[in-house]
Amino acid sequence: GEDVEQSLFLSVREGDSSVINCTYTDSSSTYLYWYKQEPGAGLQLLTYIFSNMDMKQDQRLTVLLNKKDKHLSLRIADTQTGDSAIYFCAESRVDKIIFGKGTRLHILP
Amino acid sequence: GAVVSQHPSRVICKSGTSVKIECRSLDFQATTMFWYRQFPKKSLMLMATSNEGSKATYEQGVEKDKFLINHASLTLSTLTVTSAHPEDSSFYICSANAYSYNEQFFGPGTRLTVL
Repeated sequence: GEDVEQSLFLSVREGDSSVINCTYTDSSSTYLYWYKQEPGAGLQLLTYIFSNMDMKQDQRLTVLLNKKDKHLSLRIADTQTGDSAIYFCAESRVDKIIFGKGTRLHILP
Repeated sequence: GAVVSQHPSRVICKSGTSVKIECRSLDFQATTMFWYRQFPKKSLMLMATSNEGSKATYEQGVEKDKFLINHASLTLSTLTVTSAHPEDSSFYICSANAYSYNEQFFGPGTRLTVL
């Protein structure tokens, strides 16, 4: 199918790690992305990974890519209240980017 | 990083009126701009791809006469929702391609409410 799939909701305690998972469909995708959307705002590119990489780390963010299973994950270490947002997984196609439905991350005190 | 602005951020209009939304790249020239629509609990849906100086390319199912897109310069694209109806109420987001098609910068979005 055409869809990028991700769970709709994740609840994590402050200070714990958050792991958001995503599956995509196009094995020829060159780039895979994670975007963050805060309430009422547009999208902010958090990080991206090139398809020939397995892992990318950027401060508290770690992206893991399993190309065989077409599985992408975003790990946020030491989750803070400011991380509360919707996280979109996206894959590049020939001439456009396809987004998942977004995972709403809720932070528990 | 590159900045994209949208205006207005919110608009409320009566059914049957037309609404224009502007998308500007503030500190770079955008050869390509994209318009998305976001439904509650659904992913971003690409509506059209807009290249400066040429006609927009619309995605399947998007009415080009309903959603008019103009990309008159390298820093400005507009989306006009013509004869708006309540079902057009949504969050519209634009993005601009800065250096390659794989790098897009998003505007803050425009919330359209049609009464």
